[in-house]
Amino acid sequence: DIVMTQSPDSLAVSLGERATINCNSSQSVFYSSNIQNYLAWYQQKPGQPPRLLIYWASTRESGVPDRFSGSGSETDFTLTISSLQPEDVAVYYCQQYYRKPFLFGGGTKVEIK
Amino acid sequence: QVHLQESGPGLVKPSQTLSLTCTISGGSVSYGGYYWSWIRQHPGKGLEWIGYIYYNGDTYYNPSLKSLVTISIDTSKSQFSLQLSSVTAADTAVYYCARSSGAGTLPYYFDSWGQGTLVTVSS
Repeated sequence: DIVMTQSPDSLAVSLGERATINCNSSQSVFYSSNIQNYLAWYQQKPGQPPRLLIYWASTRESGVPDRFSGSGSETDFTLTISSLQPEDVAVYYCQQYYRKPFLFGGGTKVEIK
Repeated sequence: QVHLQESGPGLVKPSQTLSLTCTISGGSVSYGGYYWSWIRQHPGKGLEWIGYIYYNGDTYYNPSLKSLVTISIDTSKSQFSLQLSSVTAADTAVYYCARSSGAGTLPYYFDSWGQGTLVTVSS
């Protein structure tokens, strides 16, 4: 199995400041034949289902604000919120879809400082 | 805009079978190119992918649950279902259905989710 490890478990960021979440996969999720990283990011607010934010490691889903960005390759990935807004308080998960079973990271809780 | 909705009993007794259905509207389970998954979330915990089914009935289950899980599809009703047998309190969770696009035999990311349904296992 490709195990996903996120860090930190939680972070508190001031409004308007940058939030950075890291995700490490135990094996590369980069597929050289199509030059894609099989990595997605989700946002989950309390009482709601997860919402897709980023796929292919850096492609923003339609409707997702451009303050959210994804980067990284192979085994190390980052989700950045460039200017934290109150509505960004949530838990964020990474997930690999390179190989079954599809595993999620443990989640990172983002709060306002 | 596809909409997914889970339904089923909110309370199941230990050792019994948990049965849930996901109804799709604004789309169809009959079209190729989409995979239909079940994912669960234990209270206060992270996400666990249970398995998926393709429109033609092909399935894949998470090996951690494989012996206990059956996912089926009813294209005439635009529904797919989850059965989890011999449940214990450890199966208490919010259960989500979700859709992935994909290629070949590999689904991609989950782009649409149901609201989720809490299933409690208790006598």
